[in-house]
Amino acid sequence: EPEVTQTPSHQVTQMGQEVILRCVPISNHLYFYWYRQILGQKVEFLVSFYNNEISEKSEIFDDQFSVERPDGSNFTLKIRSTKLEDSAMYFCASSENRVGQPQHFGDGTRLSIL
Amino acid sequence: GIQVEQSPPDLILQEGANSTLRCNFSDSVNNLQWFHQNPWGQLINLFYIPSGTKQNGRLSATTVATERYSLLYISSSQTTDSGVYFCAVGPSYDYKLSFGAGTTVTVRA
Repeated sequence: EPEVTQTPSHQVTQMGQEVILRCVPISNHLYFYWYRQILGQKVEFLVSFYNNEISEKSEIFDDQFSVERPDGSNFTLKIRSTKLEDSAMYFCASSENRVGQPQHFGDGTRLSIL
Repeated sequence: GIQVEQSPPDLILQEGANSTLRCNFSDSVNNLQWFHQNPWGQLINLFYIPSGTKQNGRLSATTVATERYSLLYISSSQTTDSGVYFCAVGPSYDYKLSFGAGTTVTVRA
């Protein structure tokens, strides 16, 4: 069964550094998402992406965050200047359609900011 | 936005016991998914069930969309069933999934 792939599985970064989290969605999917989960808390929506533009973003997704689909397979989340509170598990997801189909989640990237 | 409430927050079971987890939501939905988060943090998709009933082995789920709730049943629980179970819903007007706070299940041998 096709899977959403995320790399790296764990990233440790100094505060203030830029970090790029990478995702390869399922190949025929058109909708892409990033979610995050701070340790011990529930999963929160960050951003959705369709047709090479952001469809929706949460209030968490401020100017420090950006997303890009640089080629036909990758989908990236960039945090420009990381803060301690950005430490979390980041999940990428994709779906074939906006409704009527499940979102498929990757295994996550655990981001630790020192 | 849509509100998602899961109950109970914590559940301790003896191996072999059955249990029911509940998810209430505040608006009509086009998407409802149940996930199991394992100790490594991975979200394992259990069911895509915006309405109706599905079964997969010892797990089954029922969503009554008109009454805005979903139930996840675990039968003959095993220690490997331990972890956090999340319900996530997507309303018709929105792209995103909104997650509940989860039910932490501990199965003791």
